[in-house]
Amino acid sequence: DAGITQSPRHKVTETGTPVTLRCHQTENHRYMYWYRQDPGHGLRLIHYSYGVKDTDKGEVSDGYSVSRSKTEDFLLTLESATSSQTSVYFCAISEPGQAGSGNTIYFGEGSWLTVV
Amino acid sequence: QKEVEQDPGPLSVPEGAIVSLNCTYSNSAFQYFMWYRQYSRKGPELLMYTYSSGNKEDGRFTAQVDKSSKYISLFIRDSQPSDSATYLCAMTLGGADGLTFGKGTHLIIQP
Repeated sequence: DAGITQSPRHKVTETGTPVTLRCHQTENHRYMYWYRQDPGHGLRLIHYSYGVKDTDKGEVSDGYSVSRSKTEDFLLTLESATSSQTSVYFCAISEPGQAGSGNTIYFGEGSWLTVV
Repeated sequence: QKEVEQDPGPLSVPEGAIVSLNCTYSNSAFQYFMWYRQYSRKGPELLMYTYSSGNKEDGRFTAQVDKSSKYISLFIRDSQPSDSATYLCAMTLGGADGLTFGKGTHLIIQP
């Protein structure tokens, strides 16, 4: 158990509505990530954070925003949900390591989002 | 360009067989290589972690990295039905850089 809690675990929402997914960690890890997983595409990075208030875009960031006001919480917001954002969303955490040992990345259990 | 190629399978083998799973990649800057196991409707679970080229063994699992060929492998010895899952290879430059994943191989171990 990597000490990661995602909420909500399942959500159905309507097109055009805002949605926020929350990732909470108890490990005090510096780095946090949001991925989405889709058939035929695998896991793709949406946004990541390398510290409080420090975030950057990943491969598929369009339509998503993130915020990190505390070490333990990383929020993913869909400002206006679209059907193409129906997916499984995974939060992940890691801690910087020494050269040669790197940083291992641990995943949460996922949030299933359906946009109708 | 970050790109990782992985055969999606399904790969079906009898119980007790040696399983070989592979990925190729194009970005020679990747330094850290990982294998994750994912059961249906669960999050990916870290199995093996390797830095640069070489081999690493953990119980029935062996990970190999050949950076000169941009090729990584995971071997599972004495495979069990409980090993049936999707196996994801992943790699990263290091630091805060996120993981780049293969699309996963669906493995089925037949009792």
